[in-house]
Amino acid sequence: DQQVKQNSPSLSVQEGRISILNCDYTNSMFDYFLWYKKYPAEGPTFLISISSIKDKNEDGRFTVFLNKSAKHLSLHIVPSQPGDSAVYFCAASANGQNFVFGPGTRLSVLP
Amino acid sequence: DAGITQSPRHKVTETGTPVTLRCHQTENHRYMYWYRQDPGHGLRLIHYSYGVKDTDKGEVSDGYSVSRSKTEDFLLTLESATSSQTSVYFCAISGTGFTGELFFGEGSRLTVL
Repeated sequence: DQQVKQNSPSLSVQEGRISILNCDYTNSMFDYFLWYKKYPAEGPTFLISISSIKDKNEDGRFTVFLNKSAKHLSLHIVPSQPGDSAVYFCAASANGQNFVFGPGTRLSVLP
Repeated sequence: DAGITQSPRHKVTETGTPVTLRCHQTENHRYMYWYRQDPGHGLRLIHYSYGVKDTDKGEVSDGYSVSRSKTEDFLLTLESATSSQTSVYFCAISGTGFTGELFFGEGSRLTVL
C-alpha cells in the first residue's frame, strides 16, 4: 500500500496560468516533505521542502501548502512556464527516516 | 550542481550475470544512497551508506548488495541479475541524512534480458 500518493499521473496547464500538483499521504508520523522535479534522462532535482511545523513555504514561483489534518500537500507554480514541464515527485519522511516517494505527476505547460 | 557521477549510464545484460554500478561523488558528503525508479512506483530505496563501510538496507534490498570502501565511492552490485531488476538506478548524496535534501546523479539505465 503506497504511503505517498499522487493521484494525477498527468496534468496540462496553459503557460502563465497556475499549476497545482497534489500529494496525499497515509502515515501521520511523516514530518518532513519535499518536492522534486525530474526532466527526461536526468536525475531528480530538489525544488522545495516543508516541515510539519509549517503550513506554507514559498520560494519564488513555487509554494508548497501542507494540510496535516487532511494529510495533504500541494505544490503551486505561478506563473507556469514551458520549462516547468517535467515529472514532479512528492516525498515524505518520518523522524529522519527513509524518504518515501510518490509515483510522480507529469506536468505539461502548453505555450 | 552536486558532483555526482554514475557509471555506466546504460547497460544491457543477460539474466544471471553479475552487474556493478558505480557512484562517485566529489562533495565529501557522508550519506550515499541507491534508488531505483519504476513506472507507478516513484523512487524506492535499495541501500544506503552513512559512512565508509557503514551501510544499511532500504525497502527493496533483496537481490542487491553494496560496498563503500572510500567516502567518494558507493557501489551497487546485482550478484545475479534478473529481469525484474530492469530499471533506472539513481545514486544520491546528502550531508544531513534524511533530514535534508538529496542530490541525485543522472541515473543508470539497466536492461536485463
